[in-house]
Amino acid sequence: AQSVTQLGSHVSVSEGALVLLRCNYSSSVPPYLFWYVQYPNQGLQLLLKYTTGATLVKGINGFEAEFKKSETSFHLTKPSAHMSDAAEYFCAVSDNTDKLIFGTGTRLQVFP
Amino acid sequence: DVKVTQSSRYLVKRTGEKVFLECVQDMDHENMFWYRQDPGLGLRLIYFSYDVKMKEKGDIPEGYSVSREKKERFSLILESASTNQTSMYLCASTNRAGGGNEQFFGPGTRLTVL
Repeated sequence: AQSVTQLGSHVSVSEGALVLLRCNYSSSVPPYLFWYVQYPNQGLQLLLKYTTGATLVKGINGFEAEFKKSETSFHLTKPSAHMSDAAEYFCAVSDNTDKLIFGTGTRLQVFP
Repeated sequence: DVKVTQSSRYLVKRTGEKVFLECVQDMDHENMFWYRQDPGLGLRLIYFSYDVKMKEKGDIPEGYSVSREKKERFSLILESASTNQTSMYLCASTNRAGGGNEQFFGPGTRLTVL
């Protein structure tokens, strides 16, 4: 069975600081990995995904994530936080069934 | 622009009422999904459908049913609403691809059961 663990339900950073949101997964097959973002009162929007190939994946709004098989991790980073990055972020894993298993989410706060 | 729409943004119902949540996608996607989102629990899959008239249970199907009579429409039904079904409900769709495809989400319906 697949599962996702997001460490830290809340993360706070100052504007301009590094953003690091952690995600570890469990999967018995090569996983597909996703990061989604949810702004207040909206649905989820894809930030980036890893399927195969290059392990460093770049997404929208300056975010990137690195797939590390040995660590079963897919942490999300952004070099410099912006106020508009304040949102909830979800990591998800999928196998070959098109279903997603989501983590419990991390709420990012950005302070001026 | 791809689009998934949900019939209501906010809904208030009484305990015991039958509740219908509608979802429509305009992308000709085969797969459609219903999730509920609760604080601290993330998104949990209620039901999904790989094709018209086809449905499969997700992780938390109890108290819910679904209907998919047309490819673009996927309905979630609460047969007899209860207060523990107060939640945010999200619909999503994707192409059938054997994994790796982005799911497109609707804006959500916040349901309150009194």
